[in-house]
Amino acid sequence: SSELTQDPAVSVALGQTVRITCQGDTLRTYYASWYQQKPGQAPVVVMYGEDNRPSGIPDRFSGSSSGNTASLTIAGAQAEDEADYYCNSRDSSGNRLVFGGGTKLTVL
Amino acid sequence: QLQLQESGPRLVKPSATLSLTCSVSGASIRSNTYYWGWIRQPPGKGLEWIGNIYHSGSTNYKPSLKSRVTISVDTSKNQFSLKLSSVTAADTAVYYCAKEYKDSFYYYMDVWGKGTTVTVSS
Repeated sequence: SSELTQDPAVSVALGQTVRITCQGDTLRTYYASWYQQKPGQAPVVVMYGEDNRPSGIPDRFSGSSSGNTASLTIAGAQAEDEADYYCNSRDSSGNRLVFGGGTKLTVL
Repeated sequence: QLQLQESGPRLVKPSATLSLTCSVSGASIRSNTYYWGWIRQPPGKGLEWIGNIYHSGSTNYKPSLKSRVTISVDTSKNQFSLKLSSVTAADTAVYYCAKEYKDSFYYYMDVWGKGTTVTVSS
């Protein structure tokens, strides 16, 4: 299967830790990447590979992977982290990308 | 600093062909490490990868869209383009172009255009 599955919505109390997950068969073979999208804005990559943060992404963001599940963890969530988060990865061909359905993160 | 800018008609009639161009500035589209992709997002919905192209002209398309999609590159203008034929209202979306970094380990979009809204309506 080339599908990636995410929980539609997750909430976290301000300052607490939250994990957003992405499941799919191809994640056993390929790394996921993670994108943050705020309303009316283009997505921004926040994590790629198992645990690689692009320049400018706070170190409270971290990534991990186990089996068919990739995870994005935000340690000490801030109000500005409230956004939609999408994972993506290669499909079974290795040459095409597929997105998860997205997770809406609410910071309470 | 690399920037991407989408351009093209904002309104397309049903059954017509949607055409968009992405202009790349701040880097050469001929870079060996990068692919150049199109992604769309229907109103209130998630992201959908449409396809990509390498500077050589090699393309990859989402299987369910492959029969309607053509992505091309013009290295002399540092641009790449998307054509989507036989559009319906379901093709109404924000269309993004993006630079894709791809190697044997990693594959991700590190630079995105701001997106352009395309509405399919008569």
